Amino acid sequence: AQSVTQLDSHVSVSEGTPVLLRCNYSSSYSPSLFWYVQHPNKGLQLLLKYTSAATLVKGINGFEAEFKKSETSFHLTKPSAHMSDAAEYFCVVQPGSSNTGKLIFGQGTTLQVKP
Amino acid sequence: DTEVTQTPKHLVMGMTNKKSLKCEQHMGHRAMYWYKQKAKKPPELMFVYSYEKLSINESVPSRFSPECPNSSLLNLHLHALQPEDSALYLCASSRREVDGYTFGSGTRLTVV
Repeated sequence: AQSVTQLDSHVSVSEGTPVLLRCNYSSSYSPSLFWYVQHPNKGLQLLLKYTSAATLVKGINGFEAEFKKSETSFHLTKPSAHMSDAAEYFCVVQPGSSNTGKLIFGQGTTLQVKP
Repeated sequence: DTEVTQTPKHLVMGMTNKKSLKCEQHMGHRAMYWYKQKAKKPPELMFVYSYEKLSINESVPSRFSPECPNSSLLNLHLHALQPEDSALYLCASSRREVDGYTFGSGTRLTVV
């Protein structure tokens, strides 16, 4: 069975310090992996995606994620947090290659950025 | 146009009312989705339309009725809802799932 685990429900950083949001996945197939961000009372915005090309994926707003198959991880990082990064972040797996509509969402990580 | 537009942004309805949520995209995406999101939770899939045909219904109660009049438009008709149906309703679309989804900003629904 496929699953996604976001290891931290809440992460707090100071502005200008690095961000690390952790995600582990379980999938029987070669998955596609995504990170989405959701600001309060907004929809989800795609930050980046991994689809079996380069293992280090660059996204929008300075975010990156590295796919590590041996560790079944897809952690999200950013070198320097900005106040506008405060939001909810979801790690998402699309298992396999068929269009099933059944994305698997992690439970989310709330990122707090302190001035 | 790279957006999914949802209207209205906010909706308050009584349990006997009938209302509709609207979702529109002009990106040529052939798959469209309805999700329900409760506070502090990830979105939950409700319906999937592929090429204007309903392909997935996640055992959603019949008081929610989806409709896809054309490739750009997706509606969600609401009737006799319960207070526990209050949530953020998100629409999304995709060209291919592996490309990721484009989400709308959602409709915040309150059932009183």
